[in-house]
Amino acid sequence: DTAVSQTPKYLVTQMGNDKSIKCEQNLGHDTMYWYKQDSKKFLKIMFSYNNKELIINETVPNRFSPKSPDKAHLNLHINSLELGDSAVYFCASSQDLTHYGYTFGSGTRLTVV
Amino acid sequence: GNSVTQMEGPVTLSEEAFLTINCTYTATGYPSLFWYVQYPGEGLQLLLKATKADDKGSNKGFEATYRKETTSFHLEKGSVQVSDSAVYFCALGRNQFYFGTGTSLTVIP
Repeated sequence: DTAVSQTPKYLVTQMGNDKSIKCEQNLGHDTMYWYKQDSKKFLKIMFSYNNKELIINETVPNRFSPKSPDKAHLNLHINSLELGDSAVYFCASSQDLTHYGYTFGSGTRLTVV
Repeated sequence: GNSVTQMEGPVTLSEEAFLTINCTYTATGYPSLFWYVQYPGEGLQLLLKATKADDKGSNKGFEATYRKETTSFHLEKGSVQVSDSAVYFCALGRNQFYFGTGTSLTVIP
């Protein structure tokens, strides 16, 4: 069973469209995250939710909006997509960050054309 | 503040060569330290970790020792294989995670 699953794995869309990426974890973790990885592999945290409550909201355009319907799900909605949004987006979860770190999903490669 | 500085790549080695990827950190308090590996087209996987000073993390032939005196957590492997080709990330964990910039390793036969 996949611990952290993201859908879709690939997403190709035109500029200006609105799209969503879904993430689910079956580990019982309290905290979930969204990261963006650029073409140089640099990882940037975007959001973090703990038990459905937003706890980290880094400087990202407000076109990006996370939604957590329950603690097992954290979705990412992106409005008015731009070319610069092309990247790989990773979902992750953790229970005890200091001792166990993250469990990552396999990523969603978003390409905006 | 908290940060991680990681050796820049890319690194290219021949099979069976010795690998070192340097990682140093700046932190308030006593963080945990991690190495993650990202194989092509995949997500990040935990490779090894150390939660306190002088701890040694090890997995799949890789090792790293938490050195408080030098604020370092260098990754080593005695004999790399082609299958070790990946991007390696050093990370510091306290209330939040802080990743290094990643080091790409290519092992050639």
